[in-house]
Amino acid sequence: EPEVTQTPSHQVTQMGQEVILRCVPISNHLYFYWYRQILGQKVEFLVSFYNNEISEKSEIFDDQFSVERPDGSNFTLKIRSTKLEDSAMYFCASSEELNEQFFGPGTRLTVL
Amino acid sequence: KQEVTQIPAALSVPEGENLVLNCSFTDSAIYNLQWFRQDPGKGLTSLLLIQSSQREQTSGRLNASLDKSSGRSTLYIAASQPGDSATYLCAVRRYGGSQGNLIFGKGTKLSVKP
Repeated sequence: EPEVTQTPSHQVTQMGQEVILRCVPISNHLYFYWYRQILGQKVEFLVSFYNNEISEKSEIFDDQFSVERPDGSNFTLKIRSTKLEDSAMYFCASSEELNEQFFGPGTRLTVL
Repeated sequence: KQEVTQIPAALSVPEGENLVLNCSFTDSAIYNLQWFRQDPGKGLTSLLLIQSSQREQTSGRLNASLDKSSGRSTLYIAASQPGDSATYLCAVRRYGGSQGNLIFGKGTKLSVKP
């Protein structure tokens, strides 16, 4: 069964460093999303991406964040200068249409 | 602003019991509602999707209902098993959003005792 994959599973970085989180969405899906979940809190929407551009973003997704689909299979989230409060589980999701979203296993980001 | 609330926050039941998890949302203008399961430290597994025009969806021992006008959904789990122990999340996709981001509740942590 097709699934969303994410790498790495755990990323540890120093405050101020840049990180890139990688995702491979399900191959025939057209809509891509990033969410995050700070420990003990709700899953929060960050950004959605369709037709090679950002279609919607939340207040969390400020200038420190960017997304890219560098090729036909990968979808990346970049945080330019990490802060302590960026520590969270980051989930990638994809959907074929504006329907059921399928989530990856997540990348746990720890900022020291 | 859409808010999603799930009650109870935690639930412990003996194996074999039928149970109901509740989800409420403040704005009835939703496109669809999705129930997920999350195991500790893991990703989200989609369980059921209900479109706004539907009243319920069933998958195996799971049945989800939707009452859009009252802003409520329930997830019914029949004959619970220890393997059902997980956190169950409810999420709504609002109507009219450009690409439909999901708004999540905080979840109900279910523990099924053998």
